[in-house]
Order: sequence, then C-alpha cells, then structure tokens
Amino acid sequence: EVQLVESGGGVIRPGGSLRLSCAASGFNFDDYGMSWVRQAPGKGPEWVSGVGWNEVTTGHSASVRGRFTVSRDNGKKSLYLLMTSLKAEDTALYYCVRAEGRDYDLPFDLWGQGTMVVVSA
Amino acid sequence: DIVLKQSPGTLSLSPGQRATLSCRPSQSISDKYLAWYQQKPGQAPRLLISGASKRVTGIPDRFSGGGSGTEFTLTISRLEPGDFAVYYCQLPGTFGQGTKVEFK
Repeated sequence: EVQLVESGGGVIRPGGSLRLSCAASGFNFDDYGMSWVRQAPGKGPEWVSGVGWNEVTTGHSASVRGRFTVSRDNGKKSLYLLMTSLKAEDTALYYCVRAEGRDYDLPFDLWGQGTMVVVSA
Repeated sequence: DIVLKQSPGTLSLSPGQRATLSCRPSQSISDKYLAWYQQKPGQAPRLLISGASKRVTGIPDRFSGGGSGTEFTLTISRLEPGDFAVYYCQLPGTFGQGTKVEFK
C-alpha cells in the first residue's frame, strides 16, 4: 500500500527539541521530493521544510529557518524533521507529504495522517 | 514573498449548483506552479489540480481549474454532497487561507 506514516509527536516545553520521523512504503521513495507541512488547529496548511530526492537540496520556511532541520535516508525510506528551540506557535499537526516529482516544492500528491506537536509549559 | 488571497471566505451553495472559487497571487506567476487542494474535517488535504488546470488521477471532471497571471479559479460544475469542504490554493512554499464551501 502506498502510504506515509509519521511518528514522534508529543507535548514538549518551550525551548525544547523533538524529532519527527516519517516512514514511506509502497513507492520508490528516492524518486520523490519530500516535505513537512503543518496545520495549527483551525488554521490552513503551512509548508515547513522540504528535501529533494537526492538528500542534498533542502529548504525551510522563514518561520522555522535556523531552528528546524529536515533530512532523509533513502536507504531507510524515511524522512525526518529535527525541531529545536520550539515555541508555542509551533503547535500543530505535522504532515509528511510527497511531492509530485523530484523537487520538494512541487505539489503534494500524498499525505500522511499527521503527528501532533504541542508546545506548552 | 508571494501572498495568495482566496475569495470568498465562505461559499454557501446547494447540491447541484456551480461553485467558483478564486485565488489571486500578489504578483504574476507561471500557471505551472499553482495547485488546488480539498480538505474535509479530520482529514489531510487532497491534491485536486496541479499546473493550474491539470486534474490529478481519480479526480472527477466536474472539478476544473483555470486562470493565469494573478487570477486563478477552481470551478466545481455541479456540487455533490461530498464536495462540501475547504479548498486551498498553493504555490511552492505558501498556501492560501482557504475557501469553505458549505451547505446553504
């Protein structure tokens, strides 16, 4: 089955760190760019970070640049997001998403079910 | 950075009616970058249209996208009960704020 399964979310204090993981199955993972998209409760989606098929090309939104790091391991068919210096405004459901092609910023044609991150004291 | 403005915020319609949703980038863009998504409560967004007008495999032909430059539209020709949802347009790195299509 073609799917993305996220894990690693939870409740974390402001200033803390968390690592999200996404396991891909059912497709050739290294043929696609991958991204993280988050959605705060009651809000629209927000692109967070992405990495191209080659594990080298990456990008981050201005709101997380310098705090979040995206990476992937094609051998393990996995995507990661290391989040540091977390803030209350990072509270959201984090989706792992697949791009339509090798670049991470193409439209997202496959979404996971999401993992919730709550940043609260 | 390009901002996407969607209108209206809410569209109140009945099944069988036509829905026209607007997405206006703050500057002219190539249509190959514009995508549309549908999101139902409790579900992840689903890609409907990419390249402004190309329907994703499996999306019914009552959904159509068009436009260019600074004005793009998503049209649902005849609303079915499952089409009542929130719709987002998207460019690389940014989403619009969404249009909710609700039962009238």
